[in-house]
Amino acid sequence: EAQVTQNPRYLITVTGKKLTVTCSQNMNHEYMSWYRQDPGLGLRQIYYSMNVEVTDKGDVPEGYKVSRKEKRNFPLILESPSPNQTSLYFCASSSLIAGELFFGEGSRLTVL
Amino acid sequence: SQKIEQNSEALNIQEGKTATLTCNYTNYSPAYLQWYRQDPGRGPVFLLLIRENEKEKRKERLKVTFDTTLKQSLFHITASQPADSATYLCALDANSNSGYALNFGKGTSLLVTP
Repeated sequence: EAQVTQNPRYLITVTGKKLTVTCSQNMNHEYMSWYRQDPGLGLRQIYYSMNVEVTDKGDVPEGYKVSRKEKRNFPLILESPSPNQTSLYFCASSSLIAGELFFGEGSRLTVL
Repeated sequence: SQKIEQNSEALNIQEGKTATLTCNYTNYSPAYLQWYRQDPGRGPVFLLLIRENEKEKRKERLKVTFDTTLKQSLFHITASQPADSATYLCALDANSNSGYALNFGKGTSLLVTP
């Protein structure tokens, strides 16, 4: 089954404790992206990757890092989480030819 | 600045009626526009893509129009059902110089009552 898998789905952490949200897709998609969704602000792009070893900033990259060492994986790293990073995070992938995004089920992160 | 505007107020309609949702944009020159459905706490699910040279596209009970002169897309659900209740998002490619970026509107919540 074609899918984008995120882990963890739920996480409560404390300020400053480094964490990684993993994302994996099994569709051999070139493009992967991370979004955060907040009430009243909608979906905002954090980082995206056009292919292996190619990453670029989206609209709200501050406080986040990403890497793309393998085509299927695109982890989101919060080196020193802060309460304003409390949000619902979505990973998505796409074949660049098709254009439609496939989203994961989301990771709800709370930073205390 | 670039903007994607969707009705912020929820749309309440009766089962069987046609729901029409609007997406307006400014400072975009999109090659295409997409519509997604999102259920509470779930990831968005792709519904339809319409290209700049297409006026209208249909898929089962769904119809999308795209007017690049008005900078507007309309999304119609005919013969609506309670199961259609969800938030609907429109998305545009941002023509980023550095790659491919898809920007989303904030979505319109649709409630279909029996």
